[in-house]
Amino acid sequence: DGGITQSPKYLFRKEGQNVTLSCEQNLNHDAMYWYRQDPGQGLRLIYYSQIVNDFQKGDIAEGYSVSREKKESFPLTVTSAQKNPTAFYLCASRMGNYEKLFFGSGTQLSVL
Amino acid sequence: AQTVTQSQPEMSVQEAETVTLSCTYDTSENNYYLFWYKQPPSRQMILVIRQEAYKQQNATENRFSVNFQKAAKSFSLKISDSQLGDTAMYFCAFMRGYGGATNKLIFGTGTLLAVQP
Repeated sequence: DGGITQSPKYLFRKEGQNVTLSCEQNLNHDAMYWYRQDPGQGLRLIYYSQIVNDFQKGDIAEGYSVSREKKESFPLTVTSAQKNPTAFYLCASRMGNYEKLFFGSGTQLSVL
Repeated sequence: AQTVTQSQPEMSVQEAETVTLSCTYDTSENNYYLFWYKQPPSRQMILVIRQEAYKQQNATENRFSVNFQKAAKSFSLKISDSQLGDTAMYFCAFMRGYGGATNKLIFGTGTLLAVQP
């Protein structure tokens, strides 16, 4: 079945550590997105990518980095510069520009 | 900048009853899309319904329907014959009708709906 796979489901970060969240899709979608979800704040866009080897900052990109070396993969790195990383992270993809987003099942990141 | 407002943080409804969730948005655009997403306790985001602003007819998906009032910039979701499986956080979202893949979804803060047996 086609879909978006996020891993791990739960992730813990130590002080000063970089961690990488995985996002893989087999839907053949060009566009991919990373959202952060905090309680009471809805979803906020971190980064997005329209095509391979290209990506753009969203509304809250500081402290995060991404890469898009393959169409299927869009990993997100939470760097030590992100001082409040505890949140639920959702990856999404889209085929057409005005179609719905398909979401992964998310990664809960917590700080030790 | 576009904004989406959901003024009801939490709502409760009895099983088999009807409930309406409110959403208002602010935009100067004329061409756009509106969405309702559902996030159950599993936290998986699921599309409930999609509305194109240029269509006057309200979108419907089985027990889910919307009341789209373009002039009032209102986009409410009606759930008929509520079921226990409808318990979830519901997000309203806005997207401009141009801009290609750079066109992002703007989400409201959500309404937590509890369906009581």
